[in-house]
Amino acid sequence: NAGVTQTPKFQVLKTGQSMTLQCAQDMNHNSMYWYRQDPGMGLRLIYYSASEGTTDKGEVPNGYNVSRLNKREFSLRLESAAPSQTSVYFCASTTGTTQDEQYFGPGTRLTVT
Amino acid sequence: GENVEQHPSTLSVQEGDSAVIKCTYSDSASNYFPWYKQELGKRPQLIIDIRSNVGEKKDQRIAVTLNKTAKHFSLHITETQPEDSAVYFCAASGRYSTLTFGKGTMLLVSP
Repeated sequence: NAGVTQTPKFQVLKTGQSMTLQCAQDMNHNSMYWYRQDPGMGLRLIYYSASEGTTDKGEVPNGYNVSRLNKREFSLRLESAAPSQTSVYFCASTTGTTQDEQYFGPGTRLTVT
Repeated sequence: GENVEQHPSTLSVQEGDSAVIKCTYSDSASNYFPWYKQELGKRPQLIIDIRSNVGEKKDQRIAVTLNKTAKHFSLHITETQPEDSAVYFCAASGRYSTLTFGKGTMLLVSP
């Protein structure tokens, strides 16, 4: 099992450009999450999908959209990138049963100039 | 929403000493408290977790305690080793298994 995979690993964008971060899991998990990690700020939840067909906002959703394409895949889209979105983005998944471990992908390092 | 405070932000110890990291949370409905270790440039990895019906859990050199009344939980690492050097995050669960993380503790273990 590959676990949680993310593409790309690195990306540089200019202000105003758009891009989609891809995430996939092969653990048959129901719930998937997108976090961003900034120095000194820990991980903050952007959006999540509790189950296939549902999405909901987290703590910092502004400037982002998501799509739960199917049970395996959960993508994060930046429609018009801003320098404030420079960060490391992590996707995670879990079974959806409460009190269960979240498994993280390797992360995408995004720089917006 | 949930708020998780974590202290200290940095912790330096000598090899063989113990290290303690403390977290507090605000939402009394939270019932799952994981701890993650993150090495530089890597993804967070779960090292231990505790559920609300348990007061303490131990796994070799790592232990976690939970006080639901006071809304705080702590990570204890004994006999620290240089490979324990990393950033440690506490978290508290919320709706639909979402996690709210503390801001992290950088642990440095000197040989």
